[in-house]
Amino acid sequence: DAGITQSPRYKITETGRQVTLMCHQTWSHSYMFWYRQDLGHGLRLIYYSAAADITDKGEVPDGYVVSRSKTENFPLTLESATRSQTSVYFCASRREGALWAGELFFGEGSRLTVL
Amino acid sequence: GIQVEQSPPDLILQEGANSTLRCNFSDSVNNLQWFHQNPWGQLINLFYIPSGTKQNGRLSATTVATERYSLLYISSSQTTDSGVYFCAVRAKAAGNKLTFGGGTRVLVKP
Repeated sequence: DAGITQSPRYKITETGRQVTLMCHQTWSHSYMFWYRQDLGHGLRLIYYSAAADITDKGEVPDGYVVSRSKTENFPLTLESATRSQTSVYFCASRREGALWAGELFFGEGSRLTVL
Repeated sequence: GIQVEQSPPDLILQEGANSTLRCNFSDSVNNLQWFHQNPWGQLINLFYIPSGTKQNGRLSATTVATERYSLLYISSSQTTDSGVYFCAVRAKAAGNKLTFGGGTRVLVKP
C-alpha cells in the first residue's frame, strides 16, 4: 500500500525557472490538496481539487498552477519560481465515507529551495 | 475564520513522563485530527477524532466538541515522541479548509 507519494523530495532551482512538484495517491481519494509549510506561518493551503478536472484556490494560490487530469495525480507547478516560494510543500488526500469522512493523509513533503 | 490555539507551545519531558497537550478551537467543527511531525519533517496521522475518545498504544485523545477543545495524552514518553504535534480542524462553515494550530514542540530527553 504505497499511499501518497511526492517527487522530487528535494529540489534546488533558480529564480524565474519553472518547477513542477508531483503528487500521486493510490487510494482513489477524490479530494487532494497542496500545502506549504513555512516557519512562522504553519501550514497554508495553496490549492485543492475535489475530483479530476475540478480545482480551486486555497489561501495562498498566487504564483502556482495545478491540474488534475487523473484522479491519482495532482501536480503543482511554479511557473516562474521566486525566492519567497522557498518552502516545504506537502500534498495530501482526504478519505471520504460515512465513518471516516474528512481524514487527511499527507505525503512526505518536497523541500524546494529557490536561489 | 476559525481560530485554533494549542498549548503549551513547548514541552520538555524526561523519558517515561506523561503529558497532556491541548487544542482549543473557536467554532463548531466536523473534523479534528492530531498529527505528529517527526524530526525528519514527516506528518504522521495520530487520531481522527471529531468527538469522543480514542486510544492507540501510549497515545490517547479526547475531543469535547460542545466545549470546543481536544486533548492529546502521551503516556510513558519515549525519545521517539519528540517532534511537533499539530491539531487541525475543519469548521462546519469552512468548506474544505483544514485549519492548523500553531503546534506544540515536544522534546523528550533520555
